[in-house]
Amino acid sequence: GIQVEQSPPDLILQEGANSTLRCNFSDSVNNLQWFHQNPWGQLINLFYIPSGTKQNGRLSATTVATERYSLLYISSSQTTDSGVYFCAVLSGGYQKVTFGTGTKLQVIP
Amino acid sequence: NAGVTQTPKFRVLKTGQSMTLLCAQDMNHEYMYWYRQDPGMGLRLIHYSVGEGTTAKGEVPDGYNVSRLKKQNFLLGLESAAPSQTSVYFCASSRRTDSEGAGELFFGEGSRLTVL
Repeated sequence: GIQVEQSPPDLILQEGANSTLRCNFSDSVNNLQWFHQNPWGQLINLFYIPSGTKQNGRLSATTVATERYSLLYISSSQTTDSGVYFCAVLSGGYQKVTFGTGTKLQVIP
Repeated sequence: NAGVTQTPKFRVLKTGQSMTLLCAQDMNHEYMYWYRQDPGMGLRLIHYSVGEGTTAKGEVPDGYNVSRLKKQNFLLGLESAAPSQTSVYFCASSRRTDSEGAGELFFGEGSRLTVL
């Protein structure tokens, strides 16, 4: 099956810093999503981005499907950005969604 | 606007007991999924369904059964619970896109299951 790898696995930022999270996948995909899992365990939809670039406030994402990667940018980080960030890709007959390994982000004041 | 609702939120079982987790969505989505998440890990697909009356196996289906008798509900059953099934279970749903693929996934809040 498709392999989805995220980097870095762990990241500690000072509040106000910027960061880039990466998602690499081993095969062609039709769709890709980014999620934030907050410290309470809720999975929050950030971006649904099969290709191109999207922005939502301090967050933006870019997917280059032909090169099999996606990037999530977080600018001016806040403590509420802490948690785990997952990317998920659509594969296997276009109905099965596979999750990456996640990036654990801690933003310190 | 409830979205995806899971019940129960918490459950403690003894080894060998059975139980059913219920997932309900009110978005008229065709596709539904059950995932499990273990500490420090990502989500692994247990089973999924592309429509009423149809189910398919994911990455880790052993020990679980599912049913999709109604479009809005997707049930996950454990016939004989084992400690290895202690986990947080997430249900998700998505619409079917024009190319028959899955659209954006929406998740429930999770169900924490402990098997003693």
